Amino acid sequence: AQSVTQLGSHVSVSEGALVLLRCNYSSSVPPYLFWYVQYPNQGLQLLLKYTSAATLVKGINGFEAEFKKSETSFHLTKPSAHMSDAAEYFCAVSQMNFGNEKLTFGTGTRLTIIP
Amino acid sequence: GAVVSQHPSRVICKSGTSVKIECRSLDFQATTMFWYRQFPKQSLMLMATSNEGSKATYEQGVEKDKFLINHASLTLSTLTVTSAHPEDSSFYICSANLAGVFEQYFGPGTRLTVT
Repeated sequence: AQSVTQLGSHVSVSEGALVLLRCNYSSSVPPYLFWYVQYPNQGLQLLLKYTSAATLVKGINGFEAEFKKSETSFHLTKPSAHMSDAAEYFCAVSQMNFGNEKLTFGTGTRLTIIP
Repeated sequence: GAVVSQHPSRVICKSGTSVKIECRSLDFQATTMFWYRQFPKQSLMLMATSNEGSKATYEQGVEKDKFLINHASLTLSTLTVTSAHPEDSSFYICSANLAGVFEQYFGPGTRLTVT
């Protein structure tokens, strides 16, 4: 079984401020973890993924996330927010490494950037 | 690389008619394709997993006779919404796996409106 909890359905930050989007997971086996971004009326774009290599994962557009097994967390951060970061962000978990290719998504966090 | 397309991007149909949505992997062969449904301001819900040449595996609560999935080749999967009703109006997104990459590539989505 696997699940994801995203704390905060809406997050607002000022342009240039730190972005922190929270994700906690539950998995019966060591998980693979993903962050996706979705712009209005579009599909999902992969920001980054954790696949049991380095715990600090760097992705596109300046985003990074750190896998913390002790906290069962995979929070997404970006040091300085840009207006173009305004979008919906989804954390997802899978057990692809154990033959289960399904992705289970969190409920999403809508990020608003304040000029 | 790893581009997934969907057609059509938007479709409006009358209640009682059927609608077919295509999902294609353009530059790779997808061992598995997935179909998701997304209601406004909500997360993605997996509807079914589709493997080439075999019957799709539907998630609990998804009517397989209403949402017909055909995966005729390694680059094409189709979702047919039969006898559509207004409550079937939603954003439908497909994704595809590239073997050995441990990642799903998402299509741009299809907005279905049933009147």
